[in-house]
Amino acid sequence: GAGVSQSPRYKVAKRGQDVALRCDPISGHVSLFWYQQALGQGPEFLTYFQNEAQLDKSGLPSDRFFAERPEGSVSTLKIQRTQQEDSAVYLCASSPLNWDTPGPLHFGNGTRLTVT
Amino acid sequence: EDQVTQSPEALRLQEGESSSLNCSYTVSGLRGLFWYRQDPGKGPEFLFTLYSAGEEKEKERLKATLTKKESFLHITAPKPEDSATYLCAVQANTGGFKTIFGAGTRLFVKA
Repeated sequence: GAGVSQSPRYKVAKRGQDVALRCDPISGHVSLFWYQQALGQGPEFLTYFQNEAQLDKSGLPSDRFFAERPEGSVSTLKIQRTQQEDSAVYLCASSPLNWDTPGPLHFGNGTRLTVT
Repeated sequence: EDQVTQSPEALRLQEGESSSLNCSYTVSGLRGLFWYRQDPGKGPEFLFTLYSAGEEKEKERLKATLTKKESFLHITAPKPEDSATYLCAVQANTGGFKTIFGAGTRLFVKA
């Protein structure tokens, strides 16, 4: 079946602009994660949803970052007043498992955000 | 603090030259250790899950092993198409919902 889909694939924003990144997880997947990956680094956790509930947002770097998953499927990561340090690849991942069952994540191909 | 360290940062092999990648981890109770492969411009692709020391998993030319402090990804007779970044990640009892990733090992296999 279809994998995790992210859009747009590339986004260029001028410093101070707001951006919205979309994630379509695999159908029926309960868990959804957002990660940030800087060049040459591993993914870093941003936030976690179980269905529509945001259970962990401890990785969001500032209050300019906001994520939602209102109907428990599609999720949007919004970054307000973008700064150059926000430039990175933003990865979305989903899992059919609840948070208390360890298991692998299914990743999308990410959105590469460049802030100029 | 839960931590994952991978070595080496980069590894260059000739086709057919076997080697191993290392993943050292420090966690307060390991729930699972994962290996992923990441190609340029793509998201990580799941390879293996290991849950307890002594466990081994194999897939084609790759074999993952786990001890109480580290995991190894052994690559036997690699081919150029094995060139990628290999990421190690852990889920810990104290990590809540997080999967914590290492920085990865970039593998280059030359024909």
